[in-house]
Amino acid sequence: EEQLVESGGGLVKPGGSLRLSCAASGFTFSSFVMNWFRQAPGRGLEWVSTISQKSDFMGYADSVKGRFSISRDNDKNSLYLQMNSLRADDTAVYYCAREVGGWARSPWGQGTVVTVSS
Amino acid sequence: QSALTQPPSASGYPGQSVTISCTGTSSDVGGYNYVSWYQHHPGKAPKLMIYEVSKRPSGVPDRFSGSKSGNTASLTVSGLQAEDEADYHCSSYAGSNLVFGGGTKLTVL
Repeated sequence: EEQLVESGGGLVKPGGSLRLSCAASGFTFSSFVMNWFRQAPGRGLEWVSTISQKSDFMGYADSVKGRFSISRDNDKNSLYLQMNSLRADDTAVYYCAREVGGWARSPWGQGTVVTVSS
Repeated sequence: QSALTQPPSASGYPGQSVTISCTGTSSDVGGYNYVSWYQHHPGKAPKLMIYEVSKRPSGVPDRFSGSKSGNTASLTVSGLQAEDEADYHCSSYAGSNLVFGGGTKLTVL
């Protein structure tokens, strides 16, 4: 079964840092573009970041550019999101998802909760 | 505020059909046939139900169908079942990124 499992969320103070991880299984991780998304309380899903198969392309939403950094380790079948200078409006459930054809994403993980509060 | 507009809620009785709309612009929904729909039970992983406007991934029941007219895409759930109660999110390619709607909570009465 193709599966993604996020971890690393938690409560952090404004200005703090957090590193999210996403463990992939059931498919050839190195063959796929991977993404991070988030959903803030009461809001819709939001694209956060994308990384190509060989890490030669990374893209970021304007809201996180310069603060977040995406990376991957194909040997460990893992995706990461380093989040620095966190703000209250970064509070959300963060999901990783695999990019498939037609600009669709599947599968998704169950998400990890990030709360930024003093 | 989300780029795509969805009704916050929709409902129907078991066996009925419900249609959820997703309205964008000519820069996203209307400009590309790259609309996707995701089913999301709270606390679970979102699940791809429709991609490229009307295609169903393997394993998705044919009760779920998608369409598009102009700048508005639609997801129709026919023969509603209790397990269809969930949040539904639409997304569209927008030229250089992916945009989403605010989500629609579907209630099976």
